[in-house]
Amino acid sequence: EAGVAQSPRYKIIEKRQSVAFWCNPISGHATLYWYQQILGQGPKLLIQFQNNGVVDDSQLPKDRFSAERLKGVDSTLKIQPAKLEDSAVYLCASSLNSGTGGTQYFGPGTRLLVL
Amino acid sequence: AQSVTQLDSQVPVFEEAPVELRCNYSSSVSVYLFWYVQYPNQGLQLLLKYLSGSTLVKSINGFEAEFNKSQTSFHLRKPSVHISDTAEYFCAVILGGSQGNLIFGKGTKLSVKP
Repeated sequence: EAGVAQSPRYKIIEKRQSVAFWCNPISGHATLYWYQQILGQGPKLLIQFQNNGVVDDSQLPKDRFSAERLKGVDSTLKIQPAKLEDSAVYLCASSLNSGTGGTQYFGPGTRLLVL
Repeated sequence: AQSVTQLDSQVPVFEEAPVELRCNYSSSVSVYLFWYVQYPNQGLQLLLKYLSGSTLVKSINGFEAEFNKSQTSFHLRKPSVHISDTAEYFCAVILGGSQGNLIFGKGTKLSVKP
C-alpha cells in the first residue's frame, strides 16, 4: 500500500513570495490533515478535511494560508505572501475517517525555508 | 487549555540500558493517547496508542506505555534500547468529542550510544 505522498520535499523562497504544497493521501482515506511543525516544536494542526469539506480550520492563518481538497482526494496548501516565521516543515496526514480511533498516517513532509 | 508536556527535550542513553520518556497532559475531557516516532529523515510513524481497555499498551519493537489517569501521564518505556531506537519521539492526545485532530508535545530526542 502506497503511503502519503507530498511534494516538493524542500522549498526555499523569499519573504512575500507565494508557495504551494501538494499532498496525495492513502487511497480510500476520507480524512486529510495539514500540520505545521516549527523547529523544536511538535506538529500543530492547520486544517482538517473530511472528503472535500473543511472540518476544522480554526488554527489556519486565513489572511495568508489557504487549502483545498476539491475532489476529496489530493490537497494543496498555499501560502501567499510568505513570512519569515512560516519557515517550518509542513506535514500532511490521512486517516480512514475522523474521530478518536482512526490512525493518522503521515507523509515525509515539505521543508520550507523563507529568507 | 489542553496541552501535552514532554519534560525532556533530549535523552542520551547507552545501548542495552532502560529508558523512560515522560509525557503528561492536561485536559478537562477524556483523552486518547498516542506515541509517534520520527526516525532521521523519515515521516512520523505511530508507535502505540491507548483508546480504552487495558491501560498498558505495547508496540511490536519492545516499547510500552501506561495510561495513568490520576497522574495524567502516558510515559513511554523500554527495558533495553538499541542503536536503531535513536529517533525523536512525540507524545500526542486526541480530545474526547473532538474531530480527531492530534495535539502534540514538543518531542524528545532519544540518542542511543554504543
